[in-house]
Amino acid sequence: AQKVTQAQTEISVVEKEDVTLDCVYETRDTTYYLFWYKQPPSGELVFLIRRNSFDEQNEISGRYSWNFQKSTSSFNFTITASQVVDSAVYFCALSEARNSGGYQKVTFGTGTKLQVIP
Amino acid sequence: EAQVTQNPRYLITVTGKKLTVTCSQNMNHEYMSWYRQDPGLGLRQIYYSMNVEVTDKGDVPEGYKVSRKEKRNFPLILESPSPNQTSLYFCASSKIRDGYTDTQYFGPGTRLTVL
Repeated sequence: AQKVTQAQTEISVVEKEDVTLDCVYETRDTTYYLFWYKQPPSGELVFLIRRNSFDEQNEISGRYSWNFQKSTSSFNFTITASQVVDSAVYFCALSEARNSGGYQKVTFGTGTKLQVIP
Repeated sequence: EAQVTQNPRYLITVTGKKLTVTCSQNMNHEYMSWYRQDPGLGLRQIYYSMNVEVTDKGDVPEGYKVSRKEKRNFPLILESPSPNQTSLYFCASSKIRDGYTDTQYFGPGTRLTVL
């Protein structure tokens, strides 16, 4: 069964520090997609990134970067020079498909609450 | 504006009184899904739909029903709500890209309390 583990329940950092949010996943499939979403205190869910299991290149978007390591089944997310606006709950998610697309479950981790202290 | 709408946003009801939470998207997405969010448990998928008349169970389907008669709508039905269904519910939609769900767009959430 697919599973996503975000072992860090809560993290607090001081503004301008770098922080890494961990995500470890389990799947039987060789092809799958991984996602990160952000949920700020206002409650909406905001997409951050989608990554194919065959693409192990790291990705950088501004202060955000993602490190995908298939060998360790991890898809970690780093925020560089954190800001107060980064305070949110961050979710990692896994999408699998089987049976020619007839099965399309999405599994989320339990989330990591990040607090950035001014 | 591309969006997913849910109604109602807040609902307080009593055990056993049937209710429906509506979900509608205007992006012509094939995939729609319902999640519940509970403290410490993250988001758990209740049901999803690959297209009209095609639905399947997620991880926590017990006590819920869905239907997909039109592409844009995906209502969540609680036939006999119980207190353990008190939760924050999100509807989401996405395209299917390369045979997999693409970025999901989420509704604003429905906070349900069952007394």
